[in-house]
Amino acid sequence: ETGVTQTPRHLVMGMTNKKSLKCEQHLGHNAMYWYKQSAKKPLELMFVYSLEERVENNSVPSRFSPECPNSSHLFLHLHTLQPEDSALYLCASSQDWLAGAEQFFGPGTRLTVL
Amino acid sequence: TQLLEQSPQFLSIQEGENLTVYCNSSSVFSSLQWYRQEPGEGPVLLVTVVTGGEVKKLKRLTFQFGDARKDSSLHITAAQPGDTGLYLCAGEDPGNQFYFGTGTSLTVIP
Repeated sequence: ETGVTQTPRHLVMGMTNKKSLKCEQHLGHNAMYWYKQSAKKPLELMFVYSLEERVENNSVPSRFSPECPNSSHLFLHLHTLQPEDSALYLCASSQDWLAGAEQFFGPGTRLTVL
Repeated sequence: TQLLEQSPQFLSIQEGENLTVYCNSSSVFSSLQWYRQEPGEGPVLLVTVVTGGEVKKLKRLTFQFGDARKDSSLHITAAQPGDTGLYLCAGEDPGNQFYFGTGTSLTVIP
């Protein structure tokens, strides 16, 4: 595998379920990101990890819980989500945590909350 | 929150036509990037511009950063069906915050 991979690609869950999204980067990068992409809205940055430490949390509801066990893996744990959380969740990585650094994105997980 | 407005929001053209997509803000940006996102995939970086007035060319794509570094444009010459996708601008402000634009969805009809 090369680049940034995400699993699952599609996920349907009920509001009472608990699920996790997984991201893996094979680029040797030090920073990883979670974004939410909804229709008619700009990409929303949710979380940033640099060297496995969370460095940014943009007022994301606590029903989203990130985890970065090492520099290659990033998880987004989901629980008691709302229908408005349905969106494409994109993971990205960059060499370092710099605002203008080139980010490499995974293909995303299409999440539907019923 | 900075806002990068892109126009048009949607664009559908015939193969071979030329088009321009705009990215505008009332704020100054230190640098600006353009990404393309194809259906079912994540965005892929096309170019980064950092100097006011800078023009970069990537085959049939021409990117320009405004003199005041508040706006940018992407011009595609002789569009092809493979150019279909969502075009996103993204900027870094002087406070090192990074924002994505609202996006332009382009469809090139064969």
